[in-house]
Amino acid sequence: DTEVTQTPKHLVMGMTNKKSLKCEQHMGHRAMYWYKQKAKKPPELMFVYSYEKLSINESVPSRFSPECPNSSLLNLHLHALQPEDSALYLCASSQDFRPPGTRSRDGYTFGSGTRLTVV
Amino acid sequence: EDKVVQSPLSLVVHEGDTVTLNCSYEVTNFRSLLWYKQEKKAPTFLFMLTSSGIEKKSGRLSSILDKKELFSILNITATQTGDSAVYLCAVEMGLGSGGYQKVTFGIGTKLQVIP
Repeated sequence: DTEVTQTPKHLVMGMTNKKSLKCEQHMGHRAMYWYKQKAKKPPELMFVYSYEKLSINESVPSRFSPECPNSSLLNLHLHALQPEDSALYLCASSQDFRPPGTRSRDGYTFGSGTRLTVV
Repeated sequence: EDKVVQSPLSLVVHEGDTVTLNCSYEVTNFRSLLWYKQEKKAPTFLFMLTSSGIEKKSGRLSSILDKKELFSILNITATQTGDSAVYLCAVEMGLGSGGYQKVTFGIGTKLQVIP
């Protein structure tokens, strides 16, 4: 299995709703990421989990709450979002620890994304 | 501040043309440079470059890195309409001996190949 699976593919939610985005990989990758991508913009990093622990939070508002229940799963809980939060949310994974001097062969593996619309 | 700058921002060519996409960077603790192709959904990985002067090839695509001048190019020969996409350059930075890497993306080059 060389894929990152994201669900749902599309989500429309109201500003008072609570929803969750899910991401799953079975490649044994120990780093998982959430990116947000607005139209015609590059992906912007939101969170990094390394070995199931939150390693980077790029000053993301608290209405986005990540969770990593185990090494294969990454969730993004959404609550009280704003219309400007509408975007493509991408999950990615990579092999995590690379000791100095070693070279990796692969970049990130991205999921197909969740297209989120906040109304 | 870490920067990844791509040029041109957009490009329109005819099928069969050869194109060169550019990516320059200024980052701390460089580890690798990545090229991705993004059509409608998630970016698709193309190349990872870590060493200067070593060309990587995949079919009609090739890429090379210059770590002294801090840039990379992505070449596409004999372009086809299926090459139409946004090509993203990203730079991976190490954040110490701990192990995870942060990636900063450029804004992308939008390539349109017309028949």
